[in-house]
Amino acid sequence: RKEVEQDPGPFNVPEGATVAFNCTYSNSASQSFFWYRQDCRKEPKLLMSVYSSGNEDGRFTAQLNRASQYISLLIRDSKLSDSATYLCVVKGNFNKFYFGSGTKLNVKP
Amino acid sequence: NAGVTQTPKFRVLKTGQSMTLLCAQDMNHEYMYWYRQDPGMGLRLIHYSVGEGTTAKGEVPDGYNVSRLKKQNFLLGLESAAPSQTSVYFCASSSGHDYSNQPQHFGDGTRLSIL
Repeated sequence: RKEVEQDPGPFNVPEGATVAFNCTYSNSASQSFFWYRQDCRKEPKLLMSVYSSGNEDGRFTAQLNRASQYISLLIRDSKLSDSATYLCVVKGNFNKFYFGSGTKLNVKP
Repeated sequence: NAGVTQTPKFRVLKTGQSMTLLCAQDMNHEYMYWYRQDPGMGLRLIHYSVGEGTTAKGEVPDGYNVSRLKKQNFLLGLESAAPSQTSVYFCASSSGHDYSNQPQHFGDGTRLSIL
């Protein structure tokens, strides 16, 4: 079983839509969680950390459900510039990071 | 702010040639990592280091060697390149311990083609 699993998509949505991505992780002892964004042929860039109580950064909201070992990312009012692949990342023991395969988002005009 | 710098950005090799990819970070991070990413696939960890002078194997270490002689540098070596090693290679670094919320910071990648 993979450490981190994501729906690969693609999610095709119109501008202005709200879209949600989900991610599950296998190690119940994991303590740190992140969402990264990766544009085509570019390096992954940190979008936001995910805190236990949930957190928001502008149009982006991240949630953590430890009981279900589930992380989510909500994007409101989608922009064309949000088109990218979104990576769910879980930090495990020995400072190793486990990456999901990514969910591709296409925002259409 | 340089962050994590990878050299070279692009390289084409012939099968059997050797080369070294260099990763340098100026954030005084303890931990450094090498990943490869193939089309349609996620990042796979090749090797990582938890501090100067230490290295450890990741998920796909075969065919690669690494060294961390200085805290700021992490080198990835291909002794005898094979076409299966054609990929995009990313270096990353991070600080903090297991339970800290410190993320990884990535270099902008090395695109390696082996003919």
